[in-house]
Amino acid sequence: ETGVTQSPTHLIKTRGQQVTLRCSSQSGHNTVSWYQQALGQGPQFIFQYYREEENGRGNFPPRFSGLQFPNYSSELNVNALELDDSALYLCASSLPRQGNYGYTFGSGTRLTVV
Amino acid sequence: GDSVTQMEGPVTLSEEAFLTINCTYTATGYPSLFWYVQYPGEGLQLLLKATKADDKGSNKGFEATYRKETTSFHLEKGSVQVSDSAVYFCALIQRSNYQLIWGAGTKLIIKP
Repeated sequence: ETGVTQSPTHLIKTRGQQVTLRCSSQSGHNTVSWYQQALGQGPQFIFQYYREEENGRGNFPPRFSGLQFPNYSSELNVNALELDDSALYLCASSLPRQGNYGYTFGSGTRLTVV
Repeated sequence: GDSVTQMEGPVTLSEEAFLTINCTYTATGYPSLFWYVQYPGEGLQLLLKATKADDKGSNKGFEATYRKETTSFHLEKGSVQVSDSAVYFCALIQRSNYQLIWGAGTKLIIKP
């Protein structure tokens, strides 16, 4: 079975630009979550998608938005990039309502905003 | 709100030493508890988990016991190896929203 795959692995953007990050969930997993991990810190929950709808959101502004597609893959979009958005963005998937048994994480996308 | 507190690192040990990384949590209800590991340049891997009080999670020689009375989930290993060098994260999840709450991480350095 395939794990969680994220693309691209690295990205450099200029302040004010927009970025789209992509995630393919593990086979059979229809719940996808996104996390932001700043250097030297633990991940922070951005939002979660289940059945193509957002069903949980952390303390992030509306310029962070997402989508989930019928094949359970997902996108994270960030508008009006700020320098503080530089971080590792992690996607995680799980079976529905099985998050309490653990999520499977991708290797992440390293975003640098200059 | 819910929170997780881990001992600060880095923790530096010699190979074959005994490892303990402390983790305590604050949460309502009965969360599930996890240890994740992050090797340099990689994403997060689930190391072990416990879903109810007194459960012991174990994997690759690592163990942690869900202690509700002390709200703790300390990670232990009897004999560490250089390959165990990584950052270890303690986390909890609430069944109500399935959002993971993370500790800040503890960097572990094992010297040969």
